[in-house]
Amino acid sequence: LAKTTQPISMDSYEGQEVNITCSHNNIATNDYITWYQQFPSQGPRFIIQGYKTKVTNEVASLFIPADRKSSTLSLPRVSLSDTAVYYCPLGGRRALTFGSGTRLQVQP
Amino acid sequence: DGGITQSPKYLFRKEGQNVTLSCEQNLNHDAMYWYRQDPGQGLRLIYYSQIVNDFQKGDIAEGYSVSREKKESFPLTVTSAQKNPTAFYLCASSQQNRDRGRHYGYTFGSGTRLTVV
Repeated sequence: LAKTTQPISMDSYEGQEVNITCSHNNIATNDYITWYQQFPSQGPRFIIQGYKTKVTNEVASLFIPADRKSSTLSLPRVSLSDTAVYYCPLGGRRALTFGSGTRLQVQP
Repeated sequence: DGGITQSPKYLFRKEGQNVTLSCEQNLNHDAMYWYRQDPGQGLRLIYYSQIVNDFQKGDIAEGYSVSREKKESFPLTVTSAQKNPTAFYLCASSQQNRDRGRHYGYTFGSGTRLTVV
């Protein structure tokens, strides 16, 4: 199974841009890269997915280098409500495998 | 509104007792999943089902059982063989992954917190 590595925690301030990087050295050729957000005592929420290069939606951007061994989730101008755990699970035809995630704390 | 419903929100189990966690979805999704989350940890896959009447073990299936008799429902039974069942249980659903590697976003329920008393 492919394994992902993320920083355990990150701190930021309101209004700043936050970049969270995920390492996935053993990603399968067919795997898409996905990111989820989880608040305490809730289920994770899908944020964004991509296969290569850059993807942008209304809440985040996802940057994927050509070798696809890592990916970076970019959150523009974070607010207190972005305080959460962020995951970059991998999967494919089976089911997603979640790592321990990155705990983002946004300060006023 | 379409969604996925888990019940109950809180569940207390006595030693040696089997309990069943409910998961129902009205999103017309083919695939459903059960994950377990321990405090401060990530999600670990228990069982998953990609189609009715079929399911596969995940990474920590021992002490758990499931059924998939209807597309909408994927109940999880925590048996007495599960020695440390206290955890937060999350159910999810998605479209079936027919495209190789293509990911269809998972929709998660709000979870069931199980405690052994």
